[in-house]
Amino acid sequence: GNSVTQMEGPVTLSEEAFLTINCTYTATGYPSLFWYVQYPGEGLQLLLKATKADDKGSNKGFEATYRKETTSFHLEKGSVQVSDSAVYFCALRPTQGGSEKLVFGKGTKLTVNP
Amino acid sequence: DAGVTQSPTHLIKTRGQQVTLRCSPISGHKSVSWYQQVLGQGPQFIFQYYEKEERGRGNFPDRFSARQFPNYSSELNVNALLLGDSALYLCASTLLQGSRNTEAFFGQGTRLTVV
Repeated sequence: GNSVTQMEGPVTLSEEAFLTINCTYTATGYPSLFWYVQYPGEGLQLLLKATKADDKGSNKGFEATYRKETTSFHLEKGSVQVSDSAVYFCALRPTQGGSEKLVFGKGTKLTVNP
Repeated sequence: DAGVTQSPTHLIKTRGQQVTLRCSPISGHKSVSWYQQVLGQGPQFIFQYYEKEERGRGNFPDRFSARQFPNYSSELNVNALLLGDSALYLCASTLLQGSRNTEAFFGQGTRLTVV
């Protein structure tokens, strides 16, 4: 079946530190991959996406590359800010099934201290 | 333009009761999906509707049902509530169906507490 595995949190960093949140997936075919962010008390916001192998998604200084050979989509940012504190979810949309279903990982809570 | 709107934002129900949650998609979006997010977990897919037809169903009991109206808004119904149904219920809308580039836009969610 389809599944997403994220690194366990929580992750605590100092401002301007380098961030990596690991994400690996299991899926048949070629899923689309996403990172969503959830700020306290809010819904999910799309952070970035990649729809085919070797695509790099980027937004607000965050990047992730679709690696089919390692079935990974790790999230990185070179210098985090306090405002990046949130929960980050890796997700995939299967290519089979005919629906817009998203499969999410469990989420990784990031706290950035000044 | 308004985003995805959900109502109510919070509600408290007693075990055994029934609840109806509502969602209005972004204007022009014809697809609505529902997710359940239990505290500390990622969202779990419940249903997807496109053009008023069910296009996907997750692994949830028959107590959960949904429908989509001609104006593309949607309702999620949960019968015979259990304590384990306490969660944040998220609605997402998408413009297209079946496109790899489709982005799902989420509402703020409805926080359901079952006591």
